[in-house]
Amino acid sequence: GQSLEQPSEVTAVEGAIVQINCTYQTSGFYGLSWYQQHDGGAPTFLSYNGLDGLEETGRFSSFLSRSDSYGYLLLQELQMKDSASYFCALPGNTGKLIFGQGTTLQVKP
Amino acid sequence: GAVVSQHPSRVICKSGTSVKIECRSLDFQATTMFWYRQFPKQSLMLMATSNEGSKATYEQGVEKDKFLINHASLTLSTLTVTSAHPEDSSFYICSASKGPQPQYFGPGTRLTVL
Repeated sequence: GQSLEQPSEVTAVEGAIVQINCTYQTSGFYGLSWYQQHDGGAPTFLSYNGLDGLEETGRFSSFLSRSDSYGYLLLQELQMKDSASYFCALPGNTGKLIFGQGTTLQVKP
Repeated sequence: GAVVSQHPSRVICKSGTSVKIECRSLDFQATTMFWYRQFPKQSLMLMATSNEGSKATYEQGVEKDKFLINHASLTLSTLTVTSAHPEDSSFYICSASKGPQPQYFGPGTRLTVL
């Protein structure tokens, strides 16, 4: 089967940098994705890593180490609007996603 | 990006009734769509893969006779919750994509069964 582990909650202050870690177990690997979900809203795509290394998209970056079955999402210059749940997810070869339990990020002034 | 819509956004129904939820890809064709369920403060759980022109593939533990999925066209998949009960109350979300990644999610349907 597949499973992912990530911290349940993270708190940081505006302007800071926060890292959300994710470890996973899977028999077939097709990359690691990150999604953001605000309360009551739909998940939105943030980043995808198919190969080892860092992917940067504006204030958000994501890192993958396949040998360690580990990845992280890095959020820089935190803003209040970044308060949300962040999910790492394992895509299948058909596109279906298996989600981690989610990390609730609270950004404080 | 790509746009996925869902209808209705909210529905309240009595126990024992059936509820249909529509998922549409508005600006692209999707041979495959996915249905997820999310309980409050929990993660998204994949329910089934909806395949255009063929039967849906259900995840283990999901009752296919209770959650009927029809993918009648390349832009429309429907999920019907049959004989709904209060424990079926949840947030139902669909996703679709032009390719395997990334997935684009609909805005979700909040179902409340009284």
